[in-house]
Amino acid sequence: GAVVSQHPSWVICKSGTSVKIECRSLDFQATTMFWYRQFPKQSLMLMATSNEGSKATYEQGVEKDKFLINHASLTLSTLTVTSAHPEDSSFYICSAITGTGGNEQFFGPGTRLTVL
Amino acid sequence: AQSVTQLGSHVSVSEGALVLLRCNYSSSVPPYLFWYVQYPNQGLQLLLKYTTGATLVKGINGFEAEFKKSETSFHLTKPSAHMSDAAEYFCAVSRNSGNTPLVFGKGTRLSVIA
Repeated sequence: GAVVSQHPSWVICKSGTSVKIECRSLDFQATTMFWYRQFPKQSLMLMATSNEGSKATYEQGVEKDKFLINHASLTLSTLTVTSAHPEDSSFYICSAITGTGGNEQFFGPGTRLTVL
Repeated sequence: AQSVTQLGSHVSVSEGALVLLRCNYSSSVPPYLFWYVQYPNQGLQLLLKYTTGATLVKGINGFEAEFKKSETSFHLTKPSAHMSDAAEYFCAVSRNSGNTPLVFGKGTRLSVIA
């Protein structure tokens, strides 16, 4: 089956610093990746849609200047949390779909971000 | 717009008992429905999905779900709970078979009592 990895799996940073999270499709090419955010004991909420070679589409209420998304290749999308604050602490999960228009999203294992 | 409601944020069953996790959806277009399981600090694993065709869908680990259009429901069941089933379960809906973002319910935590 298709595998999606995320790196790092967890990160702790100081308030005001920037953190980059990578999402990779290991054995398939992903023209589209989605970034979700999950607060403790809550559901996943879509943050943005990342398309290879174009600008990401952000959901309403998500600050695009704070959550920078780059999808530079068919196997890699990155989410950079700029000037992180404690309220950005969350579980970030990416998913990817194949370029052939497959009927399943493959989820990464998630990245837990803690901002002190 | 699409939405998902999962009834019961926490369900507790005895080992060997029937598992029933409820999910109702709202969709203006024919829905594609999914159940995912999440273990602590891990990503999501697909249990099963309904796209078209047979309304009773069988998934992994002995789970199954039935799509009932008239009731706008997609409840998840398993005849006999196992300790390893303890996890968070999410129901999700999509506008198509998976190429669009999923809208998730709030999740149901399943506890299995020995």
